[in-house]
Amino acid sequence: QSVLTQPPSVSAAPGQKVTISCSGSSSNIGNNNVTWYQQFPGTAPKVLIYDDTERPSGIPERMSGSKSGTSATLGITGLQTGDEADYYCGTWDSSLSVGVFGGGTKLIVL
Amino acid sequence: QVQLKQSGAEVKKPGASVRVSCKTSGYRFTAYGITWVRQAPGQGLEWMGGISAVFGNTSYAQSLQDRITMTTDTSTSTAYMELRSLRSDDTAVYFCARLFETHYLGSGSYSPALDMWGQGTVVTVSS
Repeated sequence: QSVLTQPPSVSAAPGQKVTISCSGSSSNIGNNNVTWYQQFPGTAPKVLIYDDTERPSGIPERMSGSKSGTSATLGITGLQTGDEADYYCGTWDSSLSVGVFGGGTKLIVL
Repeated sequence: QVQLKQSGAEVKKPGASVRVSCKTSGYRFTAYGITWVRQAPGQGLEWMGGISAVFGNTSYAQSLQDRITMTTDTSTSTAYMELRSLRSDDTAVYFCARLFETHYLGSGSYSPALDMWGQGTVVTVSS
C-alpha cells in the first residue's frame, strides 16, 4: 500500500492529452515538492518534472506538472507511442521522515 | 558526464547478506546525497533510505532499518548498501540514485529529486 495514490493505468490515443494524478496528504504533497519519474521496462527511472512544475533540460514542453493542496498532476499532451511507460510520483513525508512514491501508473497509448 | 555504475547481479540464499556498490563519477561526490530504491518484479518503486555523502548520516525505511546499512567512501566516490538476513521477498532490482534536494526556508518545504540513477543491480534470493 503506497503512501501516495496513483491510478494503475491511463490510456489515450496518439495526439491526445492525458493526465496522471497523485494523491497524498499534508505531511507529504501538501508541504513538500513532487517529482515525477518515467520508467521504461528494464531501465532506471528518469526525472520528468521536479519541484512540482519544473522540467529538466531535455524534457519536452508537452510534459507538465501541477499541484493543488495534497494532490499533484502530471500532464502529457501530443501523446506519442514512445510515451508508453510507467510513471511515478515521489516526494518526502515529513511525518514519517521517509521518501515516498506512488504505486505507479502505466500509460497506454492506444 | 555524471555516471553512477552499480555492481553486478547477485544470487543469495535466504539468511545471507548482500552488498551493492555504486561508483559515481562526473560530479563532486560530497555535494549530493545518495538514495537507494528497489523494485520487486512487476512492482513499483520502494524507497529504502538515503545517506549524506559529506556527513555520512543516514535515514532508513522503517521496514528495513534492522537489516540495512548504507555507507560511502569519499576517497573513491562510491556508495554502498548492505542488506542482511535476506528473504525471498528481497528479490528485486536495487537502484542507487543521486539526490538533488532543495530546502525552501520561506515555506519550509523540501524538494527531493533523484536526478541521476545507476543502471540497477538484480538481487535474487533463492534457496
